[in-house]
Amino acid sequence: EAGVTQFPSHSVIEKGQTVTLRCDPISGHDNLYWYRRVMGKEIKFLLHFVKESKQDESGMPNNRFLAERTGGTYSTLKVQPAELEDSGVYFCASSPRQGRETQYFGPGTRLLVL
Amino acid sequence: GNSVTQMEGPVTLSEEAFLTINCTYTATGYPSLFWYVQYPGEGLQLLLKATKADDKGSNKGFEATYRKETTSFHLEKGSVQVSDSAVYFCALSGTGGTSYGKLTFGQGTILTVHP
Repeated sequence: EAGVTQFPSHSVIEKGQTVTLRCDPISGHDNLYWYRRVMGKEIKFLLHFVKESKQDESGMPNNRFLAERTGGTYSTLKVQPAELEDSGVYFCASSPRQGRETQYFGPGTRLLVL
Repeated sequence: GNSVTQMEGPVTLSEEAFLTINCTYTATGYPSLFWYVQYPGEGLQLLLKATKADDKGSNKGFEATYRKETTSFHLEKGSVQVSDSAVYFCALSGTGGTSYGKLTFGQGTILTVHP
């Protein structure tokens, strides 16, 4: 069974540009989460999808971030326009059910905004 | 809100030494507790978990016990190997309200094991 995959693995962009990150969860997992780790700090929750619906987006930092999950399969996280403080590692995770279930993480996308 | 505090690193040990990484938490209700590990160049992997008080999670020689009275979930291993060098994250899963399902992480502890 394939794990959670993320694309790209690395992205270097200039301030003001747009970047779109993609996450493919484990097949059949209804729950999809986005997290971010900035500059060696703790990993922080961004948002949670159940199928195609946003269950909780309380961690999204501002309206420059837009997440979608069309058809309840893969998800994209767009940052537009990117700022320097958006640099970090963006992780995606999925789980079959919500709550105490183990979340399976992807390898992350390393974003550097110059 | 929920929070997790981890022992600050980095931690440097010799092979076969005993390892303890402290983790304490603040949460409402009865969260599930996790240790995730990130090996160099890889993503986060679940190392072990515990879902209720006094449960002991174990995997690959690592252990952690869910202590509700001290709100702790310390990670231990009796004899570390060079291959254990990684970043270790303690995390909890909220049980209700807006925190339900989402993970709250500690800041991570870098472990380096020398031969």
